[in-house]
Amino acid sequence: DADVTQTPRNRITKTGKRIMLECSQTKGHDRMYWYRQDPGLGLRLIYYSFDVKDINKGEISDGYSVSRQAQAKFSLSLESAIPNQTALYFCATSDGDILNGYGYTFGSGTRLTVV
Amino acid sequence: GQSLEQPSEVTAVEGAIVQINCTYQTSGFYGLSWYQQHDGGAPTFLSYNALDGLEETGRFSSFLSRSDSYGYLLLQELQMKDSASYFCAVKNFNKFYFGSGTKLNVKP
Repeated sequence: DADVTQTPRNRITKTGKRIMLECSQTKGHDRMYWYRQDPGLGLRLIYYSFDVKDINKGEISDGYSVSRQAQAKFSLSLESAIPNQTALYFCATSDGDILNGYGYTFGSGTRLTVV
Repeated sequence: GQSLEQPSEVTAVEGAIVQINCTYQTSGFYGLSWYQQHDGGAPTFLSYNALDGLEETGRFSSFLSRSDSYGYLLLQELQMKDSASYFCAVKNFNKFYFGSGTKLNVKP
């Protein structure tokens, strides 16, 4: 089983619909992140959380919300999807340990298309 | 704010050495990471440099010069499987900001 699991893998939704992307991890990491990837723009940080009671906005949080239901679960919601939210979304975790180089473990991604 | 610059595409032949550069501007720099991403896949962690100098991990090495706001990833003995996109990322306090990526094409 994957350490970081994202569901769904692919989703097509209509403009104006609410959609939730889910992320769960078995690594026991406290830190979880949501990134969005667009061609030619790299990965941009949407939200991040360092524990269940901690939620922080990233570079591009407008139009998105998150929920940290448990240490292992971090969900991203698009309240009213719009076409320019079409992108590849990645969830990542980190144990914040300098000995591990603060390396992220990424999920396999969710490819979201808003039509 | 943060900005990172890396070449958009690099081509090299199998067995060769290639260097991918990254220059950055950031308020509050803690370190520089590199990630590899194959088409359609998840990024995977390659290296992290917090201090100046060269870090070597097998065929891959990563270098950082904090005074020049510059780093590079060096790939030796290139293999076809190294064809992928490579991202540099700066650590700003408690999160990472990514560059737009360099697509490496390895040719036979």
